[in-house]
Amino acid sequence: AQSVTQLGSHVSVSEGALVLLRCNYSSSVPPYLFWYVQYPNQGLQLLLKYTSAATLVKGINGFEAEFKKSETSFHLTKPSAHMSDAAEYFCAVSENSGAGSYQLTFGKGTKLSVIP
Amino acid sequence: GAGVSQTPSNKVTEKGKYVELRCDPISGHTALYWYRQSLGQGPEFLIYFQGTGAADDSGLPNDRFFAVRPEGSVSTLKIQRTERGDSAVYLCASSSQPAVNTGELFFGEGSRLTVL
Repeated sequence: AQSVTQLGSHVSVSEGALVLLRCNYSSSVPPYLFWYVQYPNQGLQLLLKYTSAATLVKGINGFEAEFKKSETSFHLTKPSAHMSDAAEYFCAVSENSGAGSYQLTFGKGTKLSVIP
Repeated sequence: GAGVSQTPSNKVTEKGKYVELRCDPISGHTALYWYRQSLGQGPEFLIYFQGTGAADDSGLPNDRFFAVRPEGSVSTLKIQRTERGDSAVYLCASSSQPAVNTGELFFGEGSRLTVL
């Protein structure tokens, strides 16, 4: 089974600073990779996805992530943090469940705080 | 509605009681998933429906958990003889046929279950 490791359950950055949220995955085959964001009292929302096209993926709200096969990583970045980016971020990998569907396996999440 | 709808948003029950959680997916989405998110954890897969049938129920923790989707749209997650360890946020997600193949899911806001 595939797995996802998110380094740091809590990350704090100053407003305007670089955001870097780390994600490493284990997979024996090229995976599909996702970042989801969960704002307080809201459902999970897709931020961006990698599906074997360009290795640098751009998402909503200025976020991007780079797929690095040699490092089995899919870190999420944003050049300049905004107060509205405060949320919990989940990295996920998609694996074929063998039932005709790809099942998402999530990391434990990283809570991002933005300091004014 | 436009998104995945889950009811109730909050449910408090006593140990040993029976609970039903409802999910109304995005119209036209044939795939429906249930996930469970415990405090401090990422969502964990429970069950996947393709149409009316449960294509993969490998994530259900034990036989107290059951889910149905009789008409291929609304789904109900049923928990018998609830235990305190069942307390979590239960998430429902749906996807369209192409998204099923990459694992891109659209999530509801969840039903928070508290077992006293």
